[in-house]
Amino acid sequence: SQTIHQWPATLVQPVGSPLSLECTVEGTSNPNLYWYRQAAGRGLQLLFYSVGIGQISSEVPQNLSASRPQDRQFILSSKKLLLSDSGFYLCAWSFAGGPDEQYFGPGTRLTVT
Amino acid sequence: EDQVTQSPEALRLQEGESSSLNCSYTVSGLRGLFWYRQDPGKGPEFLFTLYSAGEEKEKERLKATLTKKESFLHITAPKPEDSATYLCAVQAWTGANNLFFGTGTRLTVIP
Repeated sequence: SQTIHQWPATLVQPVGSPLSLECTVEGTSNPNLYWYRQAAGRGLQLLFYSVGIGQISSEVPQNLSASRPQDRQFILSSKKLLLSDSGFYLCAWSFAGGPDEQYFGPGTRLTVT
Repeated sequence: EDQVTQSPEALRLQEGESSSLNCSYTVSGLRGLFWYRQDPGKGPEFLFTLYSAGEEKEKERLKATLTKKESFLHITAPKPEDSATYLCAVQAWTGANNLFFGTGTRLTVIP
């Protein structure tokens, strides 16, 4: 069976500091990977998705970036955090080629102060 | 532009009181409609995928149905452990693998 991990679970960072969130998937090969952000009272917003190593598509222009250095590893980064970056960050995976449902990790709660 | 509207925003039910949650959607060619359950502070948990109008899926006390414009999540005789936020998402044929989510319905089942 497949498992998805995210860390850290919670993070409090000052404005202007860097960010690195990590996501790993076990039990499957070449998954599609996704980063979402969930703000209070708003739906999940897709930030990045990847269909393979080094292949990243950005959905929303912002000060965040993503990388996929290994097949089952997805990293979300920022060089300088903004207050508006606060939120609940979720990583998800789906099978390459279908079915299309996405499976989510436990999430990281980021508070920028 | 793809759009998903869920109603009501919040719903309080007595234990055993059946009801339905609504998900209205506008999408340029529906590839799939997805229902998720999300508990506070946790990631969404996949429930169902529906692909075509008339399709129905069931799991325990939950049944999801799909028409050309909306989907319903029917909850029969709910229990307190069914309390959660239920999210609906659509996937279009033109949007790669992206899911477009609604803001959810927060369900509270009172014992």
